[in-house]
Amino acid sequence: DGGITQSPKYLFRKEGQNVTLSCEQNLNHDAMYWYRQDPGQGLRLIYYSQIVNDFQKGDIAEGYSVSREKKESFPLTVTSAQKNPTAFYLCATRDRAQETQYFGPGTRLLVL
Amino acid sequence: GNSVTQMEGPVTLSEEAFLTINCTYTATGYPSLFWYVQYPGEGLQLLLKATKADDKGSNKGFEATYRKETTSFHLEKGSVQVSDSAVYFCAPATNDYKLSFGAGTTVTVRA
Repeated sequence: DGGITQSPKYLFRKEGQNVTLSCEQNLNHDAMYWYRQDPGQGLRLIYYSQIVNDFQKGDIAEGYSVSREKKESFPLTVTSAQKNPTAFYLCATRDRAQETQYFGPGTRLLVL
Repeated sequence: GNSVTQMEGPVTLSEEAFLTINCTYTATGYPSLFWYVQYPGEGLQLLLKATKADDKGSNKGFEATYRKETTSFHLEKGSVQVSDSAVYFCAPATNDYKLSFGAGTTVTVRA
């Protein structure tokens, strides 16, 4: 089954804890993106990666970190420095030289 | 950078009604334009796109035309169904392949 997988669907974080959200794709796409969605708002770009072993900050990178060691995977860590992490997190991928982004099903992060 | 202004929701319609969601944008040059749809609890799905002026994107009965003169990309559907209830996002692409999203417009269709 091809596509983009995000896990877990729901994630709970305790105060002061780092948590990692998974994004895996088997579309062979070069670029991957992480967005944050808050209720009633559009998507805001956290980090993106155009190629393996390279990534750039988006508009709201503070309190987040990423890695891109494999083409298929782009995990996002929400660190304790992110003071308001409750949101819906969406991963997206894009094929080289194409503009269309394809989205995963999302992970909802809640703070206990 | 790019910015997007979308018609504020929520929009509530009866089945078979006509739907229009306005979208205007500011951008450098002539970006490709996208409409995405998000059903409750899910990720975004590409609905349609247009890559140059006067192009019309269409899918599932939805249409949008790239209007360069008015920097607009309004979404329309002639006869909505209950299954069209969702949040709709307009998004122009930047020249480095990023997307700028509007706030989204929530559409509810009643039977």
